[in-house]
Amino acid sequence: DIQMTQSPSTLSASVGDRVTITCRASQSISSWLAWYQQKPGKAPKFLIYQASSLESGVPSRFSGSGSGTEFTLTISSLKPDDSATYYCQHYNSYPWTFGQGTKVEIK
Amino acid sequence: EVQLLESGGGLVQPGGSLRLSCAASGFTFSSYAMSWVRQAPGKGLEWVSTISSSGGSTYYADSVKGRFTISRDNSKDSVSLQMNSLRAEDTAVYYCANMDLARWGQGTLVTASS
Repeated sequence: DIQMTQSPSTLSASVGDRVTITCRASQSISSWLAWYQQKPGKAPKFLIYQASSLESGVPSRFSGSGSGTEFTLTISSLKPDDSATYYCQHYNSYPWTFGQGTKVEIK
Repeated sequence: EVQLLESGGGLVQPGGSLRLSCAASGFTFSSYAMSWVRQAPGKGLEWVSTISSSGGSTYYADSVKGRFTISRDNSKDSVSLQMNSLRAEDTAVYYCANMDLARWGQGTLVTASS
């Protein structure tokens, strides 16, 4: 099975900061990677698919990059509404697996 | 508008069974694979199972293989998850999801406890 490792597990940043979350796959997954945002008590929200394609309606301050085994999610200018937990997920082959999550807190 | 509505969650004793259902609307259901993803209390996301658009192919996480069965009824735009031999570690919110359309339901809570 392909393991997905996110870092950091938590991060605290100020409004307006540039924030980067890293996701590493234990083997190549090409660009078959998605990013989600989840707020407490809510279902995950799809942000990015195929590593770098922004889902419709998602603010342009979110971007994704990478291929193979290393991927990043970047928030270019952090807003209070971005306080949430972020997950990466590969869909290269079954079983699909998620990263353990990165909790983003606003200072 | 794409909508996914789960039902069937509840409290069940370890070793018991439960059947979850997901009613879909707003898209051509028979054209898409459907999935179940779960989240234990305070934990991360775990993919559980996926069924192809025709129902001819199914895939399971090792943690549920042999105990859970995914199925679909394209005439009723619904997908189900039959869960047998439930364990305490199956306690979670179960989400129905269409990954291709990037849509998830709101989830239904399953609690396996005596």
